[in-house]
Amino acid sequence: DAGVTQSPTHLIKTRGQQVTLRCSPKSGHDTVSWYQQALGQGPQFIFQYYEEEERQRGNFPDRFSGHQFPNYSSELNVNALLLGDSALYLCASSGGGPEQFFGPGTRLTVL
Amino acid sequence: DQQVKQNSPSLSVQEGRISILNCDYTNSMFDYFLWYKKYPAEGPTFLISISSIKDKNEDGRFTVFLNKSAKHLSLHIVPSQPGDSAVYFCAASSPGNTPLVFGKGTRLSVIA
Repeated sequence: DAGVTQSPTHLIKTRGQQVTLRCSPKSGHDTVSWYQQALGQGPQFIFQYYEEEERQRGNFPDRFSGHQFPNYSSELNVNALLLGDSALYLCASSGGGPEQFFGPGTRLTVL
Repeated sequence: DQQVKQNSPSLSVQEGRISILNCDYTNSMFDYFLWYKKYPAEGPTFLISISSIKDKNEDGRFTVFLNKSAKHLSLHIVPSQPGDSAVYFCAASSPGNTPLVFGKGTRLSVIA
């Protein structure tokens, strides 16, 4: 049973560019949440998708957008990248309960 | 305003002894609490959780205690092993599939 998978593992972009990160949830899970983890901080909630709709959103600008597909996989898009967007981006899936299971993350570096 | 606080950035414990990691929260709406362990270059791994209707939950070497009146929870690891060395995050959620709110983490080092 595959856990949560994310791609790519690492990504280097320059300021102003756009990036798309991908996530496949754990088998049987229908809810995907995205978090940003800056160095030395805990994960910060970006948004959550359920039934292909954004259900909840954290305190992140509109430059951060997402999508969920019918197979429950999800994408996180960030436009007009800033240096401060450099972080580990984590995807987590859940199946109705409060426990969320995380993928290995995508390390984004913005130069 | 941090709703979940882990005031100890790091902790060192000898192998075989007890590790106690602490977490405080401010939001009275939180009703479910989780601990995650994170190794470098990996995502957080779910460890153990507790509902606000309980004051203790145990799973093998790991026990979580919840003191609602003090808005405080702790994770006990007994006995500690070198493989337990990692960053531990405390997280909390409110009713209704709300997102997890994390603390900043505590780095545990178990010394052989």
